[in-house]
Amino acid sequence: DAGITQSPRHKVTETGTPVTLRCHQTENHRYMYWYRQDPGHGLRLIHYSYGVKDTDKGEVSDGYSVSRSKTEDFLLTLESATSSQTSVYFCAIYIFSGRRETQYFGPGTRLLVL
Amino acid sequence: GENVEQHPSTLSVQEGDSAVIKCTYSDSASNYFPWYKQELGKRPQLIIDIRSNVGEKKDQRIAVTLNKTAKHFSLHITETQPEDSAVYFCAASGNGNQFYFGTGTSLTVIP
Repeated sequence: DAGITQSPRHKVTETGTPVTLRCHQTENHRYMYWYRQDPGHGLRLIHYSYGVKDTDKGEVSDGYSVSRSKTEDFLLTLESATSSQTSVYFCAIYIFSGRRETQYFGPGTRLLVL
Repeated sequence: GENVEQHPSTLSVQEGDSAVIKCTYSDSASNYFPWYKQELGKRPQLIIDIRSNVGEKKDQRIAVTLNKTAKHFSLHITETQPEDSAVYFCAASGNGNQFYFGTGTSLTVIP
């Protein structure tokens, strides 16, 4: 599983509250990503990071912020949760080994915003 | 940016038959095309990939083909089994660290 974990795995929250999701990796990979997965939309990139304190927006970044103060942790914050942010959130890391390059995904976080 | 389209969105096949999923991409700079399988409630997992300098790649019952001129690539699963039932995603990458995903194909293999 490339040493990638997410917490919490499930969360129920109320509209208007802030929520922070954590992605943790143990292998010191430079690139980390946050996606959301919704039926009919596949995996859509929210934000990504290419190093400590280096982040950039993806295609669906509105309403989300990220931080990466350590190589191993990439945090996703919903500043004021809305029902449209109910989704499954996946963190991913980019691994390049010379023969293979790809993204490995964390186990996902199911978020329900009431 | 890159735009990846995937068809069909759902596919049902009889056990033992073949399944084909097709994707198109828009950016001619894309040069790496992975396929992911996602079982219900699980994370997407890489099953096969292909680079733009290769036209076809095979791994047991699964194969991927790439047509750079037409900008499309396909996943072929032969002798399908019930455990092949899952959602399959294609993706395209050009700069090595950003991946653009298709919208997924839900494959059901009927015993």
